[in-house]
Amino acid sequence: QVQLVESGGGVVQPGRSLRLSCSVSGLTFRNYGLHWVRQAPGRGLEWVSLISYDGTNKYYVDSVKGRFTISRDNSKNTLYLQMNSLRVEDMAVYYCATHYGSGRFMDYWGQGTVVTVSS
Amino acid sequence: DIQMTQSPSSLSASVGDRVTITCRASQSIDRYLNWYQQKPGKAPKVLIYAASTLQSGVPSRFSGSGSGTDFTLTISSLQPEDFATYYCQQSHTNPILTFGPGTKVEIK
Repeated sequence: QVQLVESGGGVVQPGRSLRLSCSVSGLTFRNYGLHWVRQAPGRGLEWVSLISYDGTNKYYVDSVKGRFTISRDNSKNTLYLQMNSLRVEDMAVYYCATHYGSGRFMDYWGQGTVVTVSS
Repeated sequence: DIQMTQSPSSLSASVGDRVTITCRASQSIDRYLNWYQQKPGKAPKVLIYAASTLQSGVPSRFSGSGSGTDFTLTISSLQPEDFATYYCQQSHTNPILTFGPGTKVEIK
């Protein structure tokens, strides 16, 4: 079965960096675009970033542009999110999700990893 | 940017009730609208895509309708497992998919 497992979350001070990983199994990783979606405590879902199946196209929500970098390693079936200059408002559960292109929706999701930004 | 709104932001309903949630886009998105269900502490799950197509495995009591700017998610007979938060998501700007603010369905 398809599994997405996020890791790398933790407690970090404002201005510091963190790298999230999402390990994917059970599907042909290189065929899928991949998203990061976050959810701040008690808040709704916010799309953060997307990388195309081959890594050539990357998209970001305005609030993280210039601070976050999405990447992937198709040889390791792993998605990454490098988060620099973290702010209190970046504190959230971060989910990775696959992009089902023909249906234009997110079909498989991980369980999430928690990022806490606090001094 | 396309802005999504949902109404109501929360509702209380009883098991067996018919529940309707509305989603509105700030501009026409044709039928590029998805619905997700999220339970506390869990990842979201897609229920409906392309406004009215039921995702495999989703119970038929869920249905979606609409096009252009106005969309509706209907639960024909609310079940105990349906108490959750529901999000619409526009896919007009595919592959960038953005969410509405959510509607929490609570037990009356």
